[in-house]
Amino acid sequence: EIVLTQSPATLSLSPGERATLSCRASQSVGSYLGWYQQKPGQAPRLLIYDASNRATGIPARFRGSGSGTDFTLTISSLEPEDFAVYYCQQRNTLTFGGGTKVEIK
Amino acid sequence: EVQLVESGGGLVKPGGSLRLSCSASGFTFSYVWMSWVRQAPGKGLEWVGRIKSKTEGGTIDYAAPVKGRFTISRDDSTNTLYLQMNSLKTDDTAVYYCTTDGYILDYFDFWGQGTLVTVSS
Repeated sequence: EIVLTQSPATLSLSPGERATLSCRASQSVGSYLGWYQQKPGQAPRLLIYDASNRATGIPARFRGSGSGTDFTLTISSLEPEDFAVYYCQQRNTLTFGGGTKVEIK
Repeated sequence: EVQLVESGGGLVKPGGSLRLSCSASGFTFSYVWMSWVRQAPGKGLEWVGRIKSKTEGGTIDYAAPVKGRFTISRDDSTNTLYLQMNSLKTDDTAVYYCTTDGYILDYFDFWGQGTLVTVSS
């Protein structure tokens, strides 16, 4: 079973700052990794697919990178609406990481 | 516009059963794989199971914690996805979401709003 480990668990930042979220897989998943954003009381939303491609309507400040076992989601300059929980997911066995909460400092 | 609307959640005692429904619209349901994902209160996301389209065999896969207790089915004539949950445990308490599974992208690209299932005595 492929395990996805996200770090940090919580990221405390101010609007305008850069956020860097990590997702590490226990074995290679190639580029088959997605990122989702979830705001309180809402369903998750797909942000990034296949490690580095933005889903429809996702702003350019969201950038995904990585392959194999190490992946990163970067938000270049945090907007107020970006404070949320972010999950990575690998496509083959459909498992999710534990999530990273991006909170306002 | 793709819409997924779950229903059927509620309070059930341990050992009990519940059936969730997900009504789909805005796309050709019969062609699309569908999944259920759940989220326990204050916890992360957990994939529950998936059903492929009948044209691709209609195969159903389950996550280990629910295998043998939960059954996923679909009715393509009414564009409805189902999750039959038996032998419910307190650990099954969660919001249950239905999702498209590779409608446009090979990920969970559209989600319903979720329905809460509470298993408690």
